[in-house]
Order: sequence, then structure tokens, then C-alpha cells
Amino acid sequence: QVQLQASGPGLVRASETLSRTCSVSGVSISSDYYWAWIRRPPGKGLEWIGSVHHSGSAFYNPSLKGRVSLSIETTRHEFSLRLSSVTAADTALYYCARLVPAAHSYDRWGQGALVTVSS
Amino acid sequence: QTVVTQEPSFSVSPGGTVTLTCGLTSGSVSSNHYPSWYQQTPGQTPRRLIYSTHYHSSGVPDRFSGSILGNKAALTITGVQAEDESDYFCMLFMGSGNWVFGGGTKLTVL
Repeated sequence: QVQLQASGPGLVRASETLSRTCSVSGVSISSDYYWAWIRRPPGKGLEWIGSVHHSGSAFYNPSLKGRVSLSIETTRHEFSLRLSSVTAADTALYYCARLVPAAHSYDRWGQGALVTVSS
Repeated sequence: QTVVTQEPSFSVSPGGTVTLTCGLTSGSVSSNHYPSWYQQTPGQTPRRLIYSTHYHSSGVPDRFSGSILGNKAALTITGVQAEDESDYFCMLFMGSGNWVFGGGTKLTVL
């Protein structure tokens, strides 16, 4: 059974870097999927942050203006998110998810975690 | 910048039928956007309902169906049940490794 389990601090100071890690089990992280981060700010909708492949290929939401970086560590079966220079607008529920390339959709999601940016 | 549009809210009676749509501020939605639909109930993780316009995710009831209607993607729920009260999001593949969610529709079952 495919499972995604995210971890990381739930509170980040403004201007610092938000970091999250997602551990993958039940499937090889080196399979032909993209691994993604998606967030949902309070009272708003879902926002795709970025997606990364074990080959090193990565795509990012243009609206995040170069603040985001994704990495993948195949030996630890995990992938990570770093979002720099955070502001209150980055407060959100953060989800990790699996993208099926042929279907361009997310079929497995990890449990969301609230990350709050404090001033 | 093109925005993905959805109705902010919709109300439907139990047993009724509702069609939620997913459009673009510029241009038409087609199967080449690989429209997918997600259901999110408060406190729950999003759940994929439909992918590639009309394919069902495993375990999704047949009362959910996807299509292209005119220049938009559509999610139709037939025989709405109380448990269908949720937020619904569409997502489109915009090319060049860019996926965009719509703003979501809050469905109320009265």
C-alpha cells in the first residue's frame, strides 16, 4: 500500500526557510512518477508548488518566483521541499503527493500538515 | 496569466444532479489539459475522483462523471448524497511542467 508521510517544523519565522520532507513507502521512489508538494492556505484553494522526478527533473510554480527548491533522496526513499523568504502568505496546509505522469494527476496524498509563518 | 475558473459555490438537493465546471480565463479547456477533479472534505486529504477528463479513480462511485462541455471541463454528480458535501477542485495541465488548480467549488447539499 502506497503511503506518503510528511514531516518538518510546524512553525517558521518570517523571512526564514520552510522545510518539509515526505517519506514514501509501498512503492519505489525511483518508479516513473513525479513527487509533488501542494498547499492550501486557510480559506483558499489548492496550489501546486512543484514536482520532482528521481531523474532530477523538477518543475516549479512560476508564481513562487524562485523561492522554492525540491530535492529527492532515493536511498532514503524521501523527497523534500524548501521554500525561502517566507511570509504570512505562506501559512498553509502542506501536502505531499504522487503525480502519475501519463494522467497528469495526483493519485496518492500524504496527510496535510499546517505550517504557520510567524512574524 | 491564464487562470483556471470554477463556480465558487453550488447548492443541490439530495437526489438531485449537479454539474460543476472548470474553465480558463483565456481559451478553451480540452482533453489535452488532462482535466482532473478532486474532492476535499474539511479535515481530510484531497481525493482524486476523475483523471484525464473522464476516467474514474479506483473506488469512486459511478455517480461521479467527467466530461468536456463546450469549452470547459465538467464534473457531474448524479443522485447527490449528503456525504457529497465537500469542496471540489479541478486541475489542468498547462504544458511545460505546469499544473494549475482551479479556485474550487464549495458544494452544499441542502
